[in-house]
Amino acid sequence: TQLLEQSPQFLSIQEGENLTVYCNSSSVFSSLQWYRQEPGEGPVLLVTVVTGGEVKKLKRLTFQFGDARKDSSLHITAAQPGDTGLYLCAGVTSGTYKYIFGTGTRLKVLA
Amino acid sequence: ETGVTQSPTHLIKTRGQQVTLRCSSQSGHNTVSWYQQALGQGPQFIFQYYREEENGRGNFPPRFSGLQFPNYSSELNVNALELDDSALYLCASSPPGQGTDTQYFGPGTRLTVL
Repeated sequence: TQLLEQSPQFLSIQEGENLTVYCNSSSVFSSLQWYRQEPGEGPVLLVTVVTGGEVKKLKRLTFQFGDARKDSSLHITAAQPGDTGLYLCAGVTSGTYKYIFGTGTRLKVLA
Repeated sequence: ETGVTQSPTHLIKTRGQQVTLRCSSQSGHNTVSWYQQALGQGPQFIFQYYREEENGRGNFPPRFSGLQFPNYSSELNVNALELDDSALYLCASSPPGQGTDTQYFGPGTRLTVL
């Protein structure tokens, strides 16, 4: 069974702090996505990484795909209250169409 | 451009009943996937439809079934509801030519089974 484990599960930080969320698996993924989900809404795609070692930046968010394409990280610089939400990673293996979602990291940024 | 829409927003059913959830994909998107998200967990893949055919299925029993229509809208049907079926059901559509690397989710239908 493919599993994507995220850590930490919960994170509460002050505005302006930096944080990193990790997404780990024993499986190799052809691509990996990061989503943010707010209460009562569906997940919103933030980024897709495809190449091992790839780094993508989206304003204050930096995403990295592991060299072996088994893990990924999301780093937020100078977190703001608007970053509050559930962050989900999701991977898909080559030749399949099944997204495997991680367990999620619930982030709360306090003003 | 209209995004992915789902109906109803909320639904309450009792054990043993049947339910149908509906999804309208984003304009031009021909692939629809359904997910179940239990409280406090990540979404679990139920199945995917591509051009009206089931294109893959997760670890869900046969009482979870679906349809996709010629306009690419989709339905999720669940028979013989169980308490554990209580969850947020999410639909996601993908545009043609981009594989499954890009998914756009609807707001979900929250199903409560009593």
